[in-house]
Amino acid sequence: DAKTTQPPSMDCAEGRAANLPCNHSTISGNEYVYWYRQIHSQGPQYIIHGLKNNETNEMASLIITEDRKSSTLILPHATLRDTAVYYCIVRPGFGNEKLTFGTGTRLTIIP
Amino acid sequence: EAQVTQNPRYLITVTGKKLTVTCSQNMNHEYMSWYRQDPGLGLRQIYYSMNVEVTDKGDVPEGYKVSRKEKRNFPLILESPSPNQTSLYFCASSLSFRGNQPQHFGDGTRLSIL
Repeated sequence: DAKTTQPPSMDCAEGRAANLPCNHSTISGNEYVYWYRQIHSQGPQYIIHGLKNNETNEMASLIITEDRKSSTLILPHATLRDTAVYYCIVRPGFGNEKLTFGTGTRLTIIP
Repeated sequence: EAQVTQNPRYLITVTGKKLTVTCSQNMNHEYMSWYRQDPGLGLRQIYYSMNVEVTDKGDVPEGYKVSRKEKRNFPLILESPSPNQTSLYFCASSLSFRGNQPQHFGDGTRLSIL
């Protein structure tokens, strides 16, 4: 599986957009980019995923660069409840769906 | 509500006493998996199942057993628990094994083996 690189921590003011970067320069053509988050020791929560195109859902937007070597997760209006560790993961299109979680980015929303 | 349910949420037990952690999903998912999470080590896969009666080892299967007799259930069995199995355990499921299907996680089971 391709590896990802994320900043260890970030702060964001409440109400502002939180932009979380992820580098996945060794991603291959059939690998998806996934984002999960984990609040305290709760189960990881799926946020969004994409292959090539930008994606948006009710939680967030995912912007993938044209060369697919990096991506950005955008939480449009961050709230205190968005404080969590965010994981960027790349995964093959088929096969065992093992998820390899790195160390992620600890996002703190500041009141 | 679509969910993955694990039981128990917390358990303190002693070395050698067999235990089972249950996992059930109500989304008719084919794929289910067990992970453990330890500080500094991230989530590591223990076992997975691509469908009923189909199971396989993940990265850290030693000391664990699983079964998949029904689509909705995927219990994790510790036949003879040891202190190094003290951990936070998560069950996850997805519609299929295909990479474009997100996995959904349960709330976790915190096991302490004394």
